[in-house]
Amino acid sequence: GDSVTQMEGPVTLSEEAFLTINCTYTATGYPSLFWYVQYPGEGLQLLLKATKADDKGSNKGFEATYRKETTSFHLEKGSVQVSDSAVYFCALSDMDSSYKLIFGSGTRLLVRP
Amino acid sequence: DGGITQSPKYLFRKEGQNVTLSCEQNLNHDAMYWYRQDPGQGLRLIYYSQIVNDFQKGDIAEGYSVSREKKESFPLTVTSAQKNPTAFYLCASSRRGDTEAFFGQGTRLTVV
Repeated sequence: GDSVTQMEGPVTLSEEAFLTINCTYTATGYPSLFWYVQYPGEGLQLLLKATKADDKGSNKGFEATYRKETTSFHLEKGSVQVSDSAVYFCALSDMDSSYKLIFGSGTRLLVRP
Repeated sequence: DGGITQSPKYLFRKEGQNVTLSCEQNLNHDAMYWYRQDPGQGLRLIYYSQIVNDFQKGDIAEGYSVSREKKESFPLTVTSAQKNPTAFYLCASSRRGDTEAFFGQGTRLTVV
C-alpha cells in the first residue's frame, strides 16, 4: 500500500540556517503530495502542496518539488526563523487510497536564536 | 469564518466509560476524517466518511465508533473497548475527490 517516509528528528538549527527535511513516498498511482505543519498543542495546517510531477509547491519561504523519478518531495527553506519551530509532516493522497491522507511520522524542527 | 471545530479541547475519561468527541465543519465539505496522534508519532486514520450516512474503517478502528447523520457533523465515540485511548484526536474535512484537507484544533483525551 501507499506509504510516506520522513527523516527522523529532531532537527536543530541556528536562525538563518538552511533547512532540508527529506521525504520519500511509495504509491501505486499518481498521488498529490503535501507538507503540513503542526505548532505545539494545535491541529495541522497545510504548508504547501504539489499535484503532479515537477510541480513546485511554495509558501512562507518553504519550497518542495515533486520528483517522480526519485519518488521524493523534500522540504527546503533558505533561512529559518525561530518561529518556524514546529513539527512538519509529509503526506500523500491519491485515488487508489480513496483520497485518504497518508502521513509520514513527522519531523520536529527546533530553531535556536 | 468557515472552518472546522472540535470540542472539547481537553477531555478526561474514567476507565470503562464511553466518551464522544465532537467535530463540526461549515466548509460544505463532503469528506470527513478522524486521526489519532500519539506523542512523537505520526497520524493514524481511525474512520473516514466521504458522504452522509456512509463511513469506512481506517487503520485503527477497533474500540471506536462514528456516525455521519449530517454533512456538517462527524462525532467520534471512544468506547470502553479501546484499551489505550489517551491520545490527541484530530478531525479533518475535504471536498470529495479533492485531496487537500483542513484540520480542527484537536481534542486531547486523557484516561484518569
